[in-house]
Amino acid sequence: ELKVEQNPLFLSMQEGKNYTIYCNYSTTSDRLYWYRQDPGKSLESLFVLLSNGAVKQEGRLMASLDTKARLSTLHITAAVHDLSATYFCASPPDSNYQLIWGAGTKLIIKP
Amino acid sequence: DTGVSQDPRHKITKRGQNVTFRCDPISEHNRLYWYRQTLGQGPEFLTYFQNEAQLEKSRLLSDRFSAERPKGSFSTLEIQRTEQGDSAMYLCASSLGAKPGYTFGSGTRLTVV
Repeated sequence: ELKVEQNPLFLSMQEGKNYTIYCNYSTTSDRLYWYRQDPGKSLESLFVLLSNGAVKQEGRLMASLDTKARLSTLHITAAVHDLSATYFCASPPDSNYQLIWGAGTKLIIKP
Repeated sequence: DTGVSQDPRHKITKRGQNVTFRCDPISEHNRLYWYRQTLGQGPEFLTYFQNEAQLEKSRLLSDRFSAERPKGSFSTLEIQRTEQGDSAMYLCASSLGAKPGYTFGSGTRLTVV
């Protein structure tokens, strides 16, 4: 069974701290997606990583992909309260038209 | 075009009733997806259309579920004889060809009482 596993599932941190969310996947895809979801809202695309070694940054968030290790990371630098949300990673199986999703990491950033 | 639209935003129905949801994708997007998300979980794939053709259905899509995309534009998802276990957020997404990236709608939250 193809799986995407996120770690941790819950993270409470103080503003100004750094932390990393890990995403392990068992598909053989070289693509990995990161999404953000606010409570009761839909999914907002953050990053699309398309190849081994890909690194993308937007503000305080940086995502990377290691296809050999089947691992992606989402690093948060100097966290601010506005980044509080649930973060999902997702990977397409060979069919490439659907996504298999992790369970999400609920991030709470305290002022 | 302002993105993927879903209607209604919320639906409360009694067990055993039929419900239908609508999704209007981004106009130039030829691919359309339906996902289901329950509280505290990631989305689960339900079905996929390329233009008007339904090319893939998940095993999660029981006989009570049917989806259509009659003219390759909007899509409907119908659930017949709803059960409490159908309570979830139903998400629609669209994409353009093989271009990576999916745009999600705001979702329809279904509550079966």
